[in-house]
Amino acid sequence: GENVEQHPSTLSVQEGDSAVIKCTYSDSASNYFPWYKQELGKRPQLIIDIRSNVGEKKDQRIAVTLNKTAKHFSLHITETQPEDSAVYFCAASGAGSYQLTFGKGTKLSVIP
Amino acid sequence: EAGVAQSPRYKIIEKRQSVAFWCNPISGHATLYWYQQILGQGPKLLIQFQNNGVVDDSQLPKDRFSAERLKGVDSTLKIQPAKLEDSAVYLCASSLELGLLNTGELFFGEGSRLTVL
Repeated sequence: GENVEQHPSTLSVQEGDSAVIKCTYSDSASNYFPWYKQELGKRPQLIIDIRSNVGEKKDQRIAVTLNKTAKHFSLHITETQPEDSAVYFCAASGAGSYQLTFGKGTKLSVIP
Repeated sequence: EAGVAQSPRYKIIEKRQSVAFWCNPISGHATLYWYQQILGQGPKLLIQFQNNGVVDDSQLPKDRFSAERLKGVDSTLKIQPAKLEDSAVYLCASSLELGLLNTGELFFGEGSRLTVL
């Protein structure tokens, strides 16, 4: 089955700096890669996703890049703000299915 | 639109006791998932339903866990008997998955936090 590795497990940045979280996946057939944000005690919520036919996608301060050859994808957050502090999960799903395998998460702390 | 509803939010039981969690997905969402999230880890899929049929339960510990989705709407997840390692948040999620309208987005409930003593 699919295996998703996520790094780093914790990340602290100064407000205004950029944050990058990286994930690798094992199944070359995977074609959908979402990122979820989970604030303390709350439900995970989708913040951005990318499909295998696209190399990069941006949404305001958030961007995701995908390298299918290397089987890795990354989340980039620019101009970080304190409200970006949360746990971020990457995930991957295979062809014909949206059944997700999640990484272990990255706890991002933005220091004011 | 109403979100995914789960209950109870918190449950504390002793090992070997039983517990049941309930989930009501977003109206019209055909696919329902139960995930187990152990503290400090990502959600792990337990079971996936499409309408009232099971799509994948390969990671469900069937000796103690069971789940059903009667009438293709609400779902219950039961654990009997519970073990210490079952302490986790049990997340229910639903998705539309209707042909070209399928965006892949999962909508999660707030979760049911289980503590087994």
